[in-house]
Amino acid sequence: DTGVSQNPRHKITKRGQNVTFRCDPISEHNRLYWYRQTLGQGPEFLTYFQNEAQLEKSRLLSDRFSAERPKGSFSTLEIQRTEQGDSAMYLCASSQTSSYNEQFFGPGTRLTVL
Amino acid sequence: AQSVAQPEDQVNVAEGNPLTVKCTYSVSGNPYLFWYVQYPNRGLQFLLKYITGDNLVKGSYGFEAEFNKSQTSFHLKKPSALVSDSALYFCAVRGNTGNQFYFGTGTSLTVIP
Repeated sequence: DTGVSQNPRHKITKRGQNVTFRCDPISEHNRLYWYRQTLGQGPEFLTYFQNEAQLEKSRLLSDRFSAERPKGSFSTLEIQRTEQGDSAMYLCASSQTSSYNEQFFGPGTRLTVL
Repeated sequence: AQSVAQPEDQVNVAEGNPLTVKCTYSVSGNPYLFWYVQYPNRGLQFLLKYITGDNLVKGSYGFEAEFNKSQTSFHLKKPSALVSDSALYFCAVRGNTGNQFYFGTGTSLTVIP
């Protein structure tokens, strides 16, 4: 399967712990997006990479969130000092060069903060 | 501010009947509009998009959507619904500046046999 993969699929953690999620995009895609989705809501944009450069970040994104894409391939999203309000599905998507192009989504990582 | 509204949380339609899932948008400049579908325990899948050109766009699985600039709408349609179309549908928009995509809250479509 050459689609977008995300790991882990589920993560349960205690409040205050740090968590890191990984996204492997489709290999020829140079654009990568992270979204957060809570129950009953659509995906909410978090951040965007073109190759290894993080070009855009939501103003809603707390300083506890950081994302990297070190070699322009896979990406990681880290949440430090997790809070119960961070519980959500974290989605990764990738697309080809132009933003005209549709995004291909991974299955998501479901985070539960106890 | 850029946003998308899906005014119906739930749409029910009988199998074989036409279906419409509504979407309106607010964006600066010309919009890029997309529809995605989410099946249970599956990632979002692209259905169709409007970038420019013909106001009626055709996509996967027999779906189509009509871009209406004056009404700022991009409603999803299908002439004859199938039970397998039952899923969660999301409309998304990107303005012509920036790279943020804005998604609606989703419409749950149920096709009744």
